[in-house]
Amino acid sequence: DGGITQSPKYLFRKEGQNVTLSCEQNLNHDAMYWYRQDPGQGLRLIYYSQIVNDFQKGDIAEGYSVSREKKESFPLTVTSAQKNPTAFYLCASSQQGPGYTFGSGTRLTVV
Amino acid sequence: AQSVTQLGSHVSVSEGALVLLRCNYSSSVPPYLFWYVQYPNQGLQLLLKYTSAATLVKGINGFEAEFKKSETSFHLTKPSAHMSDAAEYFCAVSVFQGAQKLVFGQGTRLTINP
Repeated sequence: DGGITQSPKYLFRKEGQNVTLSCEQNLNHDAMYWYRQDPGQGLRLIYYSQIVNDFQKGDIAEGYSVSREKKESFPLTVTSAQKNPTAFYLCASSQQGPGYTFGSGTRLTVV
Repeated sequence: AQSVTQLGSHVSVSEGALVLLRCNYSSSVPPYLFWYVQYPNQGLQLLLKYTSAATLVKGINGFEAEFKKSETSFHLTKPSAHMSDAAEYFCAVSVFQGAQKLVFGQGTRLTINP
């Protein structure tokens, strides 16, 4: 079955560390997105990519970085510059029309 | 700019009662509107979407929503709540800002009382 796979499901980061969240899709979708979810704040867009080797900042890109070297993959790195990284991170993809397919998320906790 | 407001961060209903989750949108162009459901520690699952066809949209799990342009609303309803409906629900509007993006409301947590 086609879908989006996010890994790991749970991730723990020490202060000052960079961590990378994986997102892989086999839907042949062109566009991919990263959202951050905090309680009571809905979902906020971090980065998005419409095609390979191209990506754009979303509303809260500071402290994050991405790459899009393959159509299927859109990893997100949470850098040490992100002051409050504890959150639930969701990856999504879409084809030409509106609406997304979401992965099952990664919960990142700073310890 | 397009935006979405969900009225009520928490809604509680009894099992078998009507479920009504409210969503109002702001959009300068005819919108595409969505309702998603999220169960704990999971991703978002599409319940239904409005893409300018019929104004009454039927989705999965017995949910439906009605697009009312005059009220700029897209409220989600289900005639009879089931315990398995307990989850968080998000309303979203699709916007085009260099790319197709979804703008989400704050979410409404639905609790079902036995």
